[in-house]
Amino acid sequence: AQSVTQLDSQVPVFEEAPVELRCNYSSSVSVYLFWYVQYPNQGLQLLLKYLSGSTLVKGINGFEAEFNKSQTSFHLRKPSVHISDTAEYFCAVSLTGGGNKLTFGTGTQLKVEL
Amino acid sequence: DAGVTQSPTHLIKTRGQQVTLRCSPKSGHDTVSWYQQALGQGPQFIFQYYEEEERQRGNFPDRFSGHQFPNYSSELNVNALLLGDSALYLCASTRISYEQYFGPGTRLTVT
Repeated sequence: AQSVTQLDSQVPVFEEAPVELRCNYSSSVSVYLFWYVQYPNQGLQLLLKYLSGSTLVKGINGFEAEFNKSQTSFHLRKPSVHISDTAEYFCAVSLTGGGNKLTFGTGTQLKVEL
Repeated sequence: DAGVTQSPTHLIKTRGQQVTLRCSPKSGHDTVSWYQQALGQGPQFIFQYYEEEERQRGNFPDRFSGHQFPNYSSELNVNALLLGDSALYLCASTRISYEQYFGPGTRLTVT
């Protein structure tokens, strides 16, 4: 079985500062990795995904993540955040192959302050 | 192109009652998954439907059941509601790809 750990439940950051949201996963087999964002009272939107290839993945809204197999991590970064980035961020894994179920972490609340 | 739609948006039920939630997948998608998101938690996988059959199932009791129709839309049914069933229920659709598109969810409150 796969599991995901998001160590930080809340991350406060000032506008225009860089941010890193941490994600570690556990799996005995190869997985795909995802980051989703959830704005208040909305569903989930895919930010980026790692399937294979380059370990540095770029996504929407200026976010990027780096897959580190040896550390089983997939941390999300943004060099300069905006107020509009305030939201809940979820890391997720799935087995390789299309359409498999997602296993999510408990989420990290990113709060961007002026 | 309409994305994933869910109905109703909000629902209030009493313990012991039964509820049906509905999902229409994104155009061109044939696989529908359901997730339960309790307050302050990440979504938990309930089950997935493909070709009108349950293909995968998470660790949820038999009170949770589903159905997929020939037009790929889907229903989630929950019987004998418990207070702990209060959550946001998310539907996601896909078609032989790795990206699941999520709907806005149905907020179920059990009193």
